[in-house]
Amino acid sequence: QSALTQPRSVSGSPGQSVTISCTGTSSDVGGYNSVSWFQQHPGKAPKLMIYDVSKRPSGVPDRFSGSKSGNTASLTISGLQAEDEADYYCCSYAGSFWVFGGGTKLTVL
Amino acid sequence: QVQLVESGGGVVQPGRSLRLSCAASGFTFSSYTMHWVRQAPGKGLEWVAVISYDGSNKYNADSVKGRFTISRDNSKNTLYLQMNSLRAEDTAVYYCAREESGHENYYHYYYMDVWGKGTTVTVSS
Repeated sequence: QSALTQPRSVSGSPGQSVTISCTGTSSDVGGYNSVSWFQQHPGKAPKLMIYDVSKRPSGVPDRFSGSKSGNTASLTISGLQAEDEADYYCCSYAGSFWVFGGGTKLTVL
Repeated sequence: QVQLVESGGGVVQPGRSLRLSCAASGFTFSSYTMHWVRQAPGKGLEWVAVISYDGSNKYNADSVKGRFTISRDNSKNTLYLQMNSLRAEDTAVYYCAREESGHENYYHYYYMDVWGKGTTVTVSS
């Protein structure tokens, strides 16, 4: 049950695109399509942004997209806005267990 | 509306016990698998435990195995986390979350779609 690997921080200017990677193993990210992404603002509960690798829940802007290749999943945020500044976590089903990434702090410059 | 509300957090001494509750409303609680997830101060999210819709299957993270027990009372629409032998490293905000599922042509997928606001547990002497 090792945490998924994410970069500790990424940054971008308004209007730009950023991509956050999430690397696991064949027992989690690579073995299932149950990869999801959460956004968390300080002091708030996590909010689901992407599920099933690339699906967006109702109400999530289409600026947010997800993908996966092998054992690495990615979250791309295009057209960065100030309100996108937050922590982002990937999450994967791993059989009977679940595992989260260590989190990535997105700074909008 | 769909809502999860955690309660039961507080300050507790190392080695003592605490029971957290998560009250569900706005959906058919007895149809859903439920999770506990925690977040230590300044740290990332950590999955803690999961329980199936009927309570027949339960799994814990290695970090809490043998100390924490997840359970549910579907007649009360409530999820629980019994925490024994608490340690300083168990200090965290504890969230409950609902698991949703779906399927495509040849596979099923799972995700946590609804979260509570969390309850804070502090283990300190």
